[in-house]
Amino acid sequence: DSGVTQTPKHLITATGQRVTLRCSPRSGDLSVYWYQQSLDQGLQFLIQYYNGEERAKGNILERFSAQQFPDLHSELNLSSLELGDSALYFCASSVSGMSTDTQYFGPGTRLTVL
Amino acid sequence: DQQVKQNSPSLSVQEGRISILNCDYTNSMFDYFLWYKKYPAEGPTFLISISSIKDKNEDGRFTVFLNKSAKHLSLHIVPSQPGDSAVYFCAASASNQGGKLIFGQGTELSVKP
Repeated sequence: DSGVTQTPKHLITATGQRVTLRCSPRSGDLSVYWYQQSLDQGLQFLIQYYNGEERAKGNILERFSAQQFPDLHSELNLSSLELGDSALYFCASSVSGMSTDTQYFGPGTRLTVL
Repeated sequence: DQQVKQNSPSLSVQEGRISILNCDYTNSMFDYFLWYKKYPAEGPTFLISISSIKDKNEDGRFTVFLNKSAKHLSLHIVPSQPGDSAVYFCAASASNQGGKLIFGQGTELSVKP
């Protein structure tokens, strides 16, 4: 158990809909990260937050947005969903958000768009 | 543009022997490298890391080697155990890019009894 929690574990929805994925970091970690793993793909970095502020951004679609709240939990919002958005979404957390941090991953949310 | 590549999708090894997983990168700005292990239906678990100022780091049965001139790193597992069967990802980061990790595609290791 990494100490990172993600809810829900599974999500099934239809094209065009909007969903919110939630992540709670390990106790004491200030930085959260979101990654997407599509079928047969490695993990793709989406976005990083540190203490509520955006720190780094990957190839995150404009239909996707995220935020980190004062209690340090984070939410990833996916809107106007398409079939291709079906994937595993992982949240990770680390202490300081530096490139030499070890990132600890949650169990993931499996999103299925029908 | 795949900046981190694991060219072997799978590897099969006999229990007790050495497993060698390879990873190549193209971005010379990468200065920190990590290996993660992933079981089905779980998130990746951190295994071992290495800074670009070192060429070797060891932790128990796991050793990571870094060859900066060749832009190549490898993970050695000795001796391999059936419980090591999983997908292994290498990842890289650059100090000017926050905590962004770039992952390879993964290598599925199967350790046979």
